[in-house]
Amino acid sequence: KQEVTQIPAALSVPEGENLVLNCSFTDSAIYNLQWFRQDPGKGLTSLLLIQSSQREQTSGRLNASLDKSSGRSTLYIAASQPGDSATYLCAVFPSSGYALNFGKGTSLLVTP
Amino acid sequence: SAVISQKPSRDICQRGTSLTIQCQVDSQVTMMFWYRQQPGQSLTLIATANQGSEATYESGFVIDKFPISRPNLTFSTLTVSNMSPEDSSIYLCSVDGQPGRNYGYTFGSGTRLTVV
Repeated sequence: KQEVTQIPAALSVPEGENLVLNCSFTDSAIYNLQWFRQDPGKGLTSLLLIQSSQREQTSGRLNASLDKSSGRSTLYIAASQPGDSATYLCAVFPSSGYALNFGKGTSLLVTP
Repeated sequence: SAVISQKPSRDICQRGTSLTIQCQVDSQVTMMFWYRQQPGQSLTLIATANQGSEATYESGFVIDKFPISRPNLTFSTLTVSNMSPEDSSIYLCSVDGQPGRNYGYTFGSGTRLTVV
């Protein structure tokens, strides 16, 4: 069974810092990997989708990388802002099957 | 990508009662997924709903507790039956991106359920 782990569980940084969130998964047979943002008590907003054949994806201040062979992905947030405060979830889509496997998330707080 | 309208956004319910959550998608989709997120936990898949067939439930979830309807390709409901405080969670519906996996998954805004 695919296990997805996110480190750290929580992170607090001052505004303006660059930061890295980590995601690891146990089974490298994935179709793609997706990063989401979740605000408290709310649904999920998709941030980036990386196909298994890709190494990275970028959107604005966000950059996600994927090393499928080692079972790792990172989400890099540049010049963090208080509005970035949220929980960030990593989810992998297995090569066989139809449902995402989620990590528990990293709770990020960016202080002014 | 698809846009999902989910309601209610939150509710406080008495134990022993039932709540039906609705998800409306702005385009036709083959599969819809229902997830539960318990406090402090990650998302767990409850079931997959295909139009015109019975939903497929994951281990630990049963139809009597979480009946699902999928009357057409744009709509689904999840009912949480005979609720107890342990059912207090965020419930989310999801669809895969159109066309297909290459566009990732889209989620509804979630239903925050508190059972008292």
